Amino acid sequence: DADVTQTPRNRITKTGKRIMLECSQTKGHDRMYWYRQDPGLGLRLIYYSFDVKDINKGEISDGYSVSRQAQAKFSLSLESAIPNQTALYFCATSDRGNEQFFGPGTRLTVL
Amino acid sequence: GQNIDQPTEMTATEGAIVQINCTYQTSGFNGLFWYQQHAGEAPTFLSYNVLDGLEEKGRFSSFLSRSKGYSYLLLKELQMKDSASYLCAGVFYSGNTPLVFGKGTRLSVIA
Repeated sequence: DADVTQTPRNRITKTGKRIMLECSQTKGHDRMYWYRQDPGLGLRLIYYSFDVKDINKGEISDGYSVSRQAQAKFSLSLESAIPNQTALYFCATSDRGNEQFFGPGTRLTVL
Repeated sequence: GQNIDQPTEMTATEGAIVQINCTYQTSGFNGLFWYQQHAGEAPTFLSYNVLDGLEEKGRFSSFLSRSKGYSYLLLKELQMKDSASYLCAGVFYSGNTPLVFGKGTRLSVIA
């Protein structure tokens, strides 16, 4: 079984809809991250959490919110999706040693 | 903030050697990761350098010069399956902040 899982893997939605992307991990890591990836722009950090009570904004947090429900779960919400949020979204985990382990990604399309 | 710079694209021939460079700002620097990412897939770990010098791992090697703020990934005996993006990521401030990723270098291996 995969150590870091993301659901859904693919999602097509319409402008204005609320969307939640979920991430679960079995690695026992305290740190979790959400990134988006667009062609030519690399990985951009949206939010990160270093433990259950810790939430931090990343480079591009506007239009997104997160919830860290447990050590193993970190979800990303788009309250009102817009077309320029169409992207590939990755969840990742790490321990303090910093090597990040990535989930398989969620491809989100906002029409 | 810290900047990580790497070339956007490179092309090399099957069987050849290619070097992908990465430069970073040295302030607060602790170590450097290289990840491989095939199109549409999650990044996967290749190497981590903390000390100066070359670390070899099969066909892949990674070099670090801390004083020069410079690293490179060397790929030998290129194969078509090496066509991917290669991401350089820096650890800063003893890992108390998230990894800083470069935008990635897209390598195309041609026959």
